[in-house]
Amino acid sequence: ETGVTQSPTHLIKTRGQQVTLRCSSQSGHNTVSWYQQALGQGPQFIFQYYREEENGRGNFPPRFSGLQFPNYSSELNVNALELDDSALYLCASSSPGPILNYGYTFGSGTRLTVV
Amino acid sequence: AQTVTQSQPEMSVQEAETVTLSCTYDTSESNYYLFWYKQPPSRQMILVIRQEAYKQQNATENRFSVNFQKAAKSFSLKISDSQLGDTAMYFCAFMKDNDYKLSFGAGTTVTVRA
Repeated sequence: ETGVTQSPTHLIKTRGQQVTLRCSSQSGHNTVSWYQQALGQGPQFIFQYYREEENGRGNFPPRFSGLQFPNYSSELNVNALELDDSALYLCASSSPGPILNYGYTFGSGTRLTVV
Repeated sequence: AQTVTQSQPEMSVQEAETVTLSCTYDTSESNYYLFWYKQPPSRQMILVIRQEAYKQQNATENRFSVNFQKAAKSFSLKISDSQLGDTAMYFCAFMKDNDYKLSFGAGTTVTVRA
């Protein structure tokens, strides 16, 4: 059983650029969520995808967007990067059924630095 | 909106001793779920323990146990027989029933000293 893998592990971008972060869900998981974790803070929910559609969204602007593919891998896209977007971005997947029974499996994150 | 508060930014404990981390939350929901996650330097968030609000019995997982006080909206984590591998950031998290979004606290850094 594979876990959740994220790429790249680190990334440096310039303000105003666009970035794509990738996540490969754990085998058998068809739901993926993305979280933003600023330095010294707890993760904040960005959005969730289920069966290739956005299933819920946190308090993030539209320049944060995502995709989920038929193989349940996922992308997080951020346009017009701002300095405050510098953070650790975590991907979490979960299996079908009530989330509480199985819990989330988190990846190790992508550290994004915007300069 | 739910808020989760962890009032201890840092805790230090001697190996083999016990440490307790505090967490309080604010919600109007009657049924919900509470979690403690561990984030070591590897950055991967690992589930430590889970508590369903409708269960009165406190959850226990090996050396980890919780003290869940629903009326006080308190959910503390006790780590017994601390080990060097327990050194990590610990996050308390809340999720409403039939929901999918975790609301996290700001975290407590736990350092286990040899």
